[in-house]
Amino acid sequence: TQLLEQSPQFLSIQEGENLTVYCNSSSVFSSLQWYRQEPGEGPVLLVTVVTGGEVKKLKRLTFQFGDARKDSSLHITAAQPGDTGLYLCAGLDNYGQNFVFGPGTRLSVLP
Amino acid sequence: ETGVTQSPTHLIKTRGQQVTLRCSSQSGHNTVSWYQQALGQGPQFIFQYYREEENGRGNFPPRFSGLQFPNYSSELNVNALELDDSALYLCASRFQGYDIQYFGAGTRLSVL
Repeated sequence: TQLLEQSPQFLSIQEGENLTVYCNSSSVFSSLQWYRQEPGEGPVLLVTVVTGGEVKKLKRLTFQFGDARKDSSLHITAAQPGDTGLYLCAGLDNYGQNFVFGPGTRLSVLP
Repeated sequence: ETGVTQSPTHLIKTRGQQVTLRCSSQSGHNTVSWYQQALGQGPQFIFQYYREEENGRGNFPPRFSGLQFPNYSSELNVNALELDDSALYLCASRFQGYDIQYFGAGTRLSVL
């Protein structure tokens, strides 16, 4: 069974600070995705990383896929209250059929 | 707006009852997945349907069942509800072979 772990579980920071959250597995994934979920809503896809070592940027968010395709990180620069939410990583299983989700990092950015 | 709609948004049931949740996929998407998300947790995969047949299942008992219709809308049925079934149920649709899936806002089920 492929599992994804995320750290930290909770993170509370002040507006303007930088942060990094992590997604780790002992298994290789063909791709990893990052989602943000706000209360009362479903997860919304932020990015998909496919190639080992890949770095993608989305405004103030930087996503990196590990060289071995077993881990990924999300770095947010100058966090804003609008970044508050549950950040989830997910990977497509070895059969390319089903998505495995991590437990998420709950981020709170205080004004 | 993802184009995926779920109904109802909230539901309260008692232990032992049965429930049906519904999902309307984004237009043209032929694959739908259902997830259970307990409070404070990530989504757990229940099952997936492609062209009206189940083609993947997570670690959920048989009392969780589903249907996908020719128009690609789908249902999740849960029999003999237990207290631990209280959760947010999410559906997500995509094209088979593509890894971008779109989620609905979910149905919040409370079992008393």
